[in-house]
Amino acid sequence: EDQVTQSPEALRLQEGESSSLNCSYTVSGLRGLFWYRQDPGKGPEFLFTLYSAGEEKEKERLKATLTKKESFLHITAPKPEDSATYLCAVQDATSGTYKYIFGTGTRLKVLA
Amino acid sequence: EAGVAQSPRYKIIEKRQSVAFWCNPISGHATLYWYQQILGQGPKLLIQFQNNGVVDDSQLPKDRFSAERLKGVDSTLKIQPAKLEDSAVYLCASSSTGDSYNEQFFGPGTRLTVL
Repeated sequence: EDQVTQSPEALRLQEGESSSLNCSYTVSGLRGLFWYRQDPGKGPEFLFTLYSAGEEKEKERLKATLTKKESFLHITAPKPEDSATYLCAVQDATSGTYKYIFGTGTRLKVLA
Repeated sequence: EAGVAQSPRYKIIEKRQSVAFWCNPISGHATLYWYQQILGQGPKLLIQFQNNGVVDDSQLPKDRFSAERLKGVDSTLKIQPAKLEDSAVYLCASSSTGDSYNEQFFGPGTRLTVL
């Protein structure tokens, strides 16, 4: 059964304190792995898509990497405005509908 | 570009009552999704439409939930009768195609509270 596990569940950082969020997955065949950011009271906002092991994507202070079993979202020198829940999702290549399977998210709080 | 619109934003009902949610996707997006997000969890797909047709409704509780997409544009999700465990945020998303290479754009969601 396809599964996505994110850790930690919650993370508190001081402004400027770099860290990484983890997303481990189990799928028959990975078609794509996605990172989304969700602010309170809003829908998820797309950040990155990763397709194959070894791939990396960057956007401002965020960098996403992918291996065959997990993905990391690295946050470099975070600011308070980076506080949000970060969601990881995968698509199974063997699923004809390519539906997303989301993890439960990591709630990030960056303190000034 | 206008985003995905949803209404209402909030709804409070008694158990056993019925409720309906509306979604207007981004113009031109062929694929529309309805998700249920329970507090503290990730979104769970309820139903996926490609134009007018249903692509996946395997996780939709069909005894109480129904959805339709009129003319391949707007969509409504209905719950009848509602149960306490239906309390959640209902998210609508759209993408230009159903292919994974197209990101999903989410609306703000409708927060449902069932008392």
